[in-house]
Amino acid sequence: KQEVTQIPAALSVPEGENLVLNCSFTDSAIYNLQWFRQDPGKGLTSLLLIQSSQREQTSGRLNASLDKSSGRSTLYIAASQPGDSATYLCAVCHMEYGNKLVFGAGTILRVKS
Amino acid sequence: DVKVTQSSRYLVKRTGEKVFLECVQDMDHENMFWYRQDPGLGLRLIYFSYDVKMKEKGDIPEGYSVSREKKERFSLILESASTNQTSMYLCASREMGAHTEAFFGQGTRLTVV
Repeated sequence: KQEVTQIPAALSVPEGENLVLNCSFTDSAIYNLQWFRQDPGKGLTSLLLIQSSQREQTSGRLNASLDKSSGRSTLYIAASQPGDSATYLCAVCHMEYGNKLVFGAGTILRVKS
Repeated sequence: DVKVTQSSRYLVKRTGEKVFLECVQDMDHENMFWYRQDPGLGLRLIYFSYDVKMKEKGDIPEGYSVSREKKERFSLILESASTNQTSMYLCASREMGAHTEAFFGQGTRLTVV
């Protein structure tokens, strides 16, 4: 059974720092991995989608990498801002589960001004 | 931009009521999903649908049913609401194919009293 783990569970950093969020998964037979952002009481906003054949994707200050063989992905946020404060979730689309996503529990990020 | 719209942001219902949560997407996606999100338990898949009138159970279907009469609309039904169904409910959609990006609605916070 595919399991997705996110470390750390919570992170607090001063504004301007570069930071890395980690996501690991137990079974490398995935189609893709997706990073989401969730603000309190709101839905999920898609940040980046990495296909299994890709190594990384970039959008603005965000860069996500994928190492499928080791079952790991990282989300790098450059020059963090207070507006980046949110919960960040990763999810994998596992080959055995077809269209379904398996989510990690998330990392709660607080960027202090 | 893809838009997934959930009919209510907040709902308060009484125990035993029949509750309908509605979700509409505007991108002609084949796949639609209902999740619930609870502190400490993360996102759990309730039901999904890969075509009109087609549905499959997710990980926690008990106490729920779904309806997909039109491609753009996916309804979650709580047949007889109970207090343990108090939760955040999230709807998502994706195009057909495992390599596609998932998009979420803004969430419905349901409280059953």
